[in-house]
Amino acid sequence: RKEVEQDPGPFNVPEGATVAFNCTYSNSASQSFFWYRQDCRKEPKLLMSVYSSGNEDGRFTAQLNRASQYISLLIRDSKLSDSATYLCVVTRVGEKLTFGTGTRLTIIP
Amino acid sequence: DTEVTQTPKHLVMGMTNKKSLKCEQHMGHRAMYWYKQKAKKPPELMFVYSYEKLSINESVPSRFSPECPNSSLLNLHLHALQPEDSALYLCASSQGGFGATNEKLFFGSGTQLSVL
Repeated sequence: RKEVEQDPGPFNVPEGATVAFNCTYSNSASQSFFWYRQDCRKEPKLLMSVYSSGNEDGRFTAQLNRASQYISLLIRDSKLSDSATYLCVVTRVGEKLTFGTGTRLTIIP
Repeated sequence: DTEVTQTPKHLVMGMTNKKSLKCEQHMGHRAMYWYKQKAKKPPELMFVYSYEKLSINESVPSRFSPECPNSSLLNLHLHALQPEDSALYLCASSQGGFGATNEKLFFGSGTQLSVL
């Protein structure tokens, strides 16, 4: 089993819709969780950290479910500019970051 | 200044060439990283410098040689590369030393390397 697993997609979603994707992780000792977005041929950029209590940043909501060992990302009222690959990242103190393979999202006009 | 700056943005080199990739940050971050990324794959860690000391070498071939001249600069020296080394090379930094709690990585825009 991979350490961090994501549905690669692609998710093709009409503009204005809500889309959600999950990421599962295998190491129950994982402590820190992040979502990064990466545009084609560009660098990954931190979208948000993910906390047990959940967190929201505008149209984006991230949740952590430790019992089932997954994190989720919800995007509401999707925009064309949300088209990107979303990378799930998991780590713990003293360890390197482990990246998921990414979920490709395309918002369709 | 919240940027990680990488140069060059693009590099084409032959298998016998020697070249260097450069990375700079002025955020006072104490860990700096080199990642390699192939198309449609996640970034793959190569090296980590923490407090200017090499902390991690992910069994990278010796044709890649990292150098950290000071806390703001990171270089990657390239020699006798193979065509399969063609990839996007990303530099990143994080505030604390390697492995600190809840460390976030800030990436440079990368060097797109082609080896002919």
